[in-house]
Amino acid sequence: ETGVTQSPTHLIKTRGQQVTLRCSSQSGHNTVSWYQQALGQGPQFIFQYYREEENGRGNFPPRFSGLQFPNYSSELNVNALELDDSALYLCASRGTANTGELFFGEGSRLTVL
Amino acid sequence: RKEVEQDPGPFNVPEGATVAFNCTYSNSASQSFFWYRQDCRKEPKLLMSVYSSGNEDGRFTAQLNRASQYISLLIRDSKLSDSATYLCVVNPTGGSYIPTFGRGTSLIVHP
Repeated sequence: ETGVTQSPTHLIKTRGQQVTLRCSSQSGHNTVSWYQQALGQGPQFIFQYYREEENGRGNFPPRFSGLQFPNYSSELNVNALELDDSALYLCASRGTANTGELFFGEGSRLTVL
Repeated sequence: RKEVEQDPGPFNVPEGATVAFNCTYSNSASQSFFWYRQDCRKEPKLLMSVYSSGNEDGRFTAQLNRASQYISLLIRDSKLSDSATYLCVVNPTGGSYIPTFGRGTSLIVHP
């Protein structure tokens, strides 16, 4: 186990709704990143947080937003859901030692109807 | 051209076979490279880092060719349990360390 937990594991929403996904990082890891993985594709970087500040963002619209809390847990919020937002959302944590390894949670599978 | 490109496969091989995957990257200044393994409907997990000198871990060998901007993964004596998707990951130089994933190569090892 990676020590990274995500919730919920599965959820179904309808177009236009909003969703919040949560992630608890591995103990001692102060960097959390979020990825969207569509079926048959690799994970696409959404954004990254380091010590509660966003320090990198991929090519996603502003309706994708996030937070990191003092305990380094994190949230991903998506507003005005679209059908194409249906995907597996992965959270990954990384420690201060820059070994390059990302520790992923099991993901939240979002279906938008 | 995509930043990181992989042949999606699937590669369908018998047990015991040797199989190789390549991954090309577009940013010549990329700094570090990795192979991750992702089982069906599971999260990616680090398989191995890729060093300039090449590295080996049991049946797995990873190599980097900076001149041609590709990395490779060789799996010898394939096992049924090797069936998975193999993701190539490339990290940029310095900055905030934001890795780019390829779409993955699917491997199916059959009896």
